[in-house]
Amino acid sequence: EVQLLESGGGLVQPGGSLRLSCAASGFTFSGYSMTWVRQAPGKGLEWVSVISGSDGVTKYADPVEGRFTISRDNSKNTLHLQMNSLRAEDTAVYYCAKCRSGCQFNGVDYWGQGTLVTVAA
Amino acid sequence: IQLTQSPSSLSASVGDRVTITCRASQGISTYLSWYQQEPGKAPRLLIYAASTLQSGVPSRFSGSGSGTDFTLTISSLQPEDFATYYCQQLSSYPLTFGGGTKVEIK
Repeated sequence: EVQLLESGGGLVQPGGSLRLSCAASGFTFSGYSMTWVRQAPGKGLEWVSVISGSDGVTKYADPVEGRFTISRDNSKNTLHLQMNSLRAEDTAVYYCAKCRSGCQFNGVDYWGQGTLVTVAA
Repeated sequence: IQLTQSPSSLSASVGDRVTITCRASQGISTYLSWYQQEPGKAPRLLIYAASTLQSGVPSRFSGSGSGTDFTLTISSLQPEDFATYYCQQLSSYPLTFGGGTKVEIK
């Protein structure tokens, strides 16, 4: 059974940093791209970033480019999202998700339960 | 690529046939997925490649379309189907989502 468990969310001041983690199990982690999707309170889904399975190629949405860094540790089956220079508009539930293969053309098949990030003074 | 979902919300009764549309700002072949999200829960994949039903998803859900126009149909609405539905294009980065369609009880 595929399981994705996010952690690391919380309250942070504007300009601060936070590191999210996603522990994966139930599949061969290194064989799949992984992605982060966020959802601001009461709003729709917004794609954030993706990382490929073995070679670690990354892509970012424009609003987070240069501030967020996605990474993975295939030896520990863990995905990370390092978030720097946080803004109020980054407040959201952040979901970790497994891509069906690569994310482009194939999309996502499993989602974690999400972790809430709140950016406020 | 922008995705426009319509309607943004709808009211329907149990047993109704429901259709949700998703229009892309440019052609995306069949690189489109549909997700269901119940309140307070993570999204769940329903349909991928525009028309392929994800394993375990009831057959009352179906998807169609290619290019720029896509449809999600629920053939007979059930109580557990009251949720918000999103489309997502997978043709090119950023992998954008539609704005969502909230299906409410009539």
